[in-house]
Amino acid sequence: DVLMTQTPVSLPVSLGGQVSISCRSSQSLVHSDGNTYLHWYLQKPGQSPQLLIYRVSNRFSGVPDRFSGSGSGTDFTLKISRVEPEDLGVYYCLQSTHFPPTFGSGTKLEIK
Amino acid sequence: EVQLVESGGGLVQPGRSLKLSCAASGFTFSNYGMHWIRQAPTKGLEWVASISPSGGSTYYRDSVKGRFTISRDNAKSTLYLQMNSLRSEDTATYYCATNHIHTFAYWGQGTLVTVSS
Repeated sequence: DVLMTQTPVSLPVSLGGQVSISCRSSQSLVHSDGNTYLHWYLQKPGQSPQLLIYRVSNRFSGVPDRFSGSGSGTDFTLKISRVEPEDLGVYYCLQSTHFPPTFGSGTKLEIK
Repeated sequence: EVQLVESGGGLVQPGRSLKLSCAASGFTFSNYGMHWIRQAPTKGLEWVASISPSGGSTYYRDSVKGRFTISRDNAKSTLYLQMNSLRSEDTATYYCATNHIHTFAYWGQGTLVTVSS
């Protein structure tokens, strides 16, 4: 299975600040169809995960432009600018290029 | 608005069976693949099983293959997960999710399965 390594595990942030979360895969996530199936989710406390970014850099419906994704191959980044209270929770990356789909272990965004 | 509502979770003894359901609304259910994903208490996310829009193709993670069966009833817009020979390591919140845009786009609120004697 493709191993997804997220760093850091915990990320203290000041409200209004900017943070980056890294996700690295154990093999390239470029699919034979040319797409890269790397996605980002946020799980707020007590809630189910919600899709933020799909295919590296595409914001899902209703996701504010404070969230942006980038990267290629095996190295990906989620950036959050102007952090707001509702951004707190655990962020996960997911690869669905290779079977089975695998998640990163999560990054907890918390108030500094 | 897409809505997914899971049900059927509960406390079950090791070796017994349980069947989860996921009622879908707000989209044309028969057009989309569906998934089950689980999350053990205080742990991360783990894909469990997937099914094609028609139900003709199914996929499972190795640890549940031969014990779990994913199915769907497109007339009822409902997804199922039949879980047999349950083990303590199957204890988790089980989420159903849609396959919009080639990922797990919409998720239900989850249903908790606890396997314990």
